[in-house]
Amino acid sequence: EPEVTQTPSHQVTQMGQEVILRCVPISNHLYFYWYRQILGQKVEFLVSFYNNEISEKSEIFDDQFSVERPDGSNFTLKIRSTKLEDSAMYFCASGPGLAGGETQYFGPGTRLLVL
Amino acid sequence: GENVEQHPSTLSVQEGDSAVIKCTYSDSASNYFPWYKQELGKRPQLIIDIRSNVGEKKDQRIAVTLNKTAKHFSLHITETQPEDSAVYFCAGGYQKVTFGTGTKLQVIP
Repeated sequence: EPEVTQTPSHQVTQMGQEVILRCVPISNHLYFYWYRQILGQKVEFLVSFYNNEISEKSEIFDDQFSVERPDGSNFTLKIRSTKLEDSAMYFCASGPGLAGGETQYFGPGTRLLVL
Repeated sequence: GENVEQHPSTLSVQEGDSAVIKCTYSDSASNYFPWYKQELGKRPQLIIDIRSNVGEKKDQRIAVTLNKTAKHFSLHITETQPEDSAVYFCAGGYQKVTFGTGTKLQVIP
């Protein structure tokens, strides 16, 4: 059964540095998402992406964040000038878009630690 | 935007008993309500979902009910087993989903 994959599984960075988190969505899916989960808390929506553009974003997704689909398979989240509070698990998800794009399958996550 | 509330935050049941987790939502435009199971350090796994054109859906020991008028939906797990122990998240929305705060379910052998 196809799954969403993410790399790296863990990333440690210094405050102020830039990080790029990578995701390979399920191949025939049309909708892509990024979520984050601070340790012990709920999953929070960051951004959704469809047809090569952002379709929706949350208030968390400010100018520090950007997403890109550089080729036909990868979907990336870039965090510029990381802050301590960016430390979290970041999940990518994808959905087939058959009925409004709701069904979402999550990747294993990237645990980001900002020191 | 959508606001999803989830109760209880923790739930302990004896093995074999049933567990019920309840959620409410605020946006009447929401039409999709998935439930995710998350084991410690793992990804959220979709276990069942329901769309607003149905009131109930069942998959083996798991069932979900939806009351659109009251804007609430519930997860029912019957004959619980220790491997059901995890955090369960409800969610609701249209294209983007908003997650509830999670219920930590402990099934005691």
